[in-house]
Amino acid sequence: SQQGEEDPQALSIQEGENATMNCSYKTSINNLQWYRQNSGRGLVHLILIRSNEREKHSGRLRVTLDTSKKSSSLLITASRAADTASYFCATTTLWSGGGADGLTFGKGTHLIIQP
Amino acid sequence: GAVVSQHPSRVICKSGTSVKIECRSLDFQATTMFWYRQFPKKSLMLMATSNEGSKATYEQGVEKDKFLINHASLTLSTLTVTSAHPEDSSFYICSARDWGQGSDEQYFGPGTRLTVT
Repeated sequence: SQQGEEDPQALSIQEGENATMNCSYKTSINNLQWYRQNSGRGLVHLILIRSNEREKHSGRLRVTLDTSKKSSSLLITASRAADTASYFCATTTLWSGGGADGLTFGKGTHLIIQP
Repeated sequence: GAVVSQHPSRVICKSGTSVKIECRSLDFQATTMFWYRQFPKKSLMLMATSNEGSKATYEQGVEKDKFLINHASLTLSTLTVTSAHPEDSSFYICSARDWGQGSDEQYFGPGTRLTVT
């Protein structure tokens, strides 16, 4: 089921500005991941944050996770035109059975960076 | 890094025919692979979990007789869209987890765009 909800659905900013995207989910999760997708292409993994982590950084990316609010945010600092893409959050559900679990994706945010 | 390939990248077929899409893990073994579909300007929806040597697990609402999945080896899973219809036109993406690395990260293939005329 599609449990993640990103907002905004679309975001257009000027190059150099920071872009913030939010994601909410409904069930208890094992971890939350952010992916990027250029138009018509495959997914690129950006960052994974575990349920016991609150914040994580990777280069110009900063991800926060608030499990009490069941929400996450992705911040891209000093945006570049090449950051134009769709960004999705995805979660794996916490369950006791172990094994592999498919990802539940959010609806995505389409980010446009104006040069 | 772990690489997943898909073949073909694009396919156009006539209504009523069947199409097979391959997903391969190139440099690692994947006991579990996942198949997703994505409609234009929409998000990815998990279709099924493909388990090596056993039957696939389908998500609710996905017809198992329509979307046949075979995971015959640790590096290959295939998705066959049987008796394809125009509404099956979509972007199909597979992913695999490299359990050998003990990582939760899923590695995605580049996707296959299916157009049914």
